Amino acid sequence: EDQVTQSPEALRLQEGESSSLNCSYTVSGLRGLFWYRQDPGKGPEFLFTLYSAGEEKEKERLKATLTKKESFLHITAPKPEDSATYLCAVGTYGKLTFGQGTILTVHP
Amino acid sequence: GAVVSQHPSRVICKSGTSVKIECRSLDFQATTMFWYRQFPKKSLMLMATSNEGSKATYEQGVEKDKFLINHASLTLSTLTVTSAHPEDSSFYICSAARGSGRPPYEQYFGPGTRLTVT
Repeated sequence: EDQVTQSPEALRLQEGESSSLNCSYTVSGLRGLFWYRQDPGKGPEFLFTLYSAGEEKEKERLKATLTKKESFLHITAPKPEDSATYLCAVGTYGKLTFGQGTILTVHP
Repeated sequence: GAVVSQHPSRVICKSGTSVKIECRSLDFQATTMFWYRQFPKKSLMLMATSNEGSKATYEQGVEKDKFLINHASLTLSTLTVTSAHPEDSSFYICSAARGSGRPPYEQYFGPGTRLTVT
């Protein structure tokens, strides 16, 4: 059974304090790893897809990296508007399995 | 691009009635659409996978007679919760997959529908 574990469950940062979120996974046949952002009461917003170990992608203050067992979402100099729940998901054929998410709060 | 809409955003219904939720991909044709359920402070739970013109594939433990899915076109899927009960109250989210080449394709999510059954 595919498993996705995210840590920490919650993370509180001061504005400008860089950090990383972790997503570890055990799947049979990883076909892609996805990162989403979800604001309260909204649907997830697509951020990144990573397909192979060593791959990195960046978008503004976010950078996602992938190894054979885990992915990191690095947040550089976060701002209060980066506060949200960050979800990672692993993809096999046609399906995504989500982790439980990391709730990020950035204080001004 | 890749905008997905859901309607309604909120619905309150009485126990025993049925509710229909629509999911539309507005600026692309979706190869596949998915329906998820999310409980408070929990992650997304996949309910079913839907391909245009064919029967939906339901996840284990999801009652297909209770959660009817119709995928009439490449831009529209509907979820009908039949004979709703209070335990069906939840946040329902759809997604639409857009992609070419190898799956899994990137899924783009709708804004969700908050269902409350009284």
